[in-house]
Amino acid sequence: DIQLTQSPSFLSASVGDRVIITCRASQGISRYLAWFQQKPGKAPKLLIYAASTLQSGVPSRFSGSGSGTEFTFTISSLQPEDFATYYCQQLNGYPFTFGPGTKVDIK
Amino acid sequence: EVQLLESGGGLVQPGGSLRLSCAASGFTFSNHAMNWVRQAPGKGLEWVSAITASGGDTYYADSVQGLFTVSRDNSKNTLYLQMSSLRAEDSAIYYCAKGYCSGGSCYYHDHWGPGTLVTVSS
Repeated sequence: DIQLTQSPSFLSASVGDRVIITCRASQGISRYLAWFQQKPGKAPKLLIYAASTLQSGVPSRFSGSGSGTEFTFTISSLQPEDFATYYCQQLNGYPFTFGPGTKVDIK
Repeated sequence: EVQLLESGGGLVQPGGSLRLSCAASGFTFSNHAMNWVRQAPGKGLEWVSAITASGGDTYYADSVQGLFTVSRDNSKNTLYLQMSSLRAEDSAIYYCAKGYCSGGSCYYHDHWGPGTLVTVSS
């Protein structure tokens, strides 16, 4: 099975900060990677798929890049509503797997 | 508007069984792969199972292989997850998620239900 690691696992940031989260796969997954945002008590929300394609309706301050085993998720200017936990997910092959998550908290 | 609504969760004793349902509306259900994803209290997301649009192929996480069975009824726009030999570690919120797959590859889960809570405890 393909394992995903995320770093950092937790970060504290201020409104307006640039936030970068890294997701690494245990083997190459081409660009079959998605990013989700989850707020407490809510279902995950798809932000990015195919490593860099922004889901419809998602603000352009969110972006993704990478291929193979190394991927990056960026929030260009953190907004108050962005404080949440972010997960990467690989869909290169079954079983699909999620990263352990990165919690973005208010500094 | 796409809507997914899970049901069937509740308290079950270890070793017991439970069947979850996910009622879908707002899209052509029979055209889409569907997934189950779970989240234990305070923990991260764990993909559990998937089924192709026709129902002809099913996939499972190693942790539930042989214990859970995913199925669907396209005439009723409903997804199911039959869970057996339940253990405490199966306690979680179970989400169904609509998938997008094309040309043999899957790209994302774009809509999720609110989830249903399963608690395995004596």
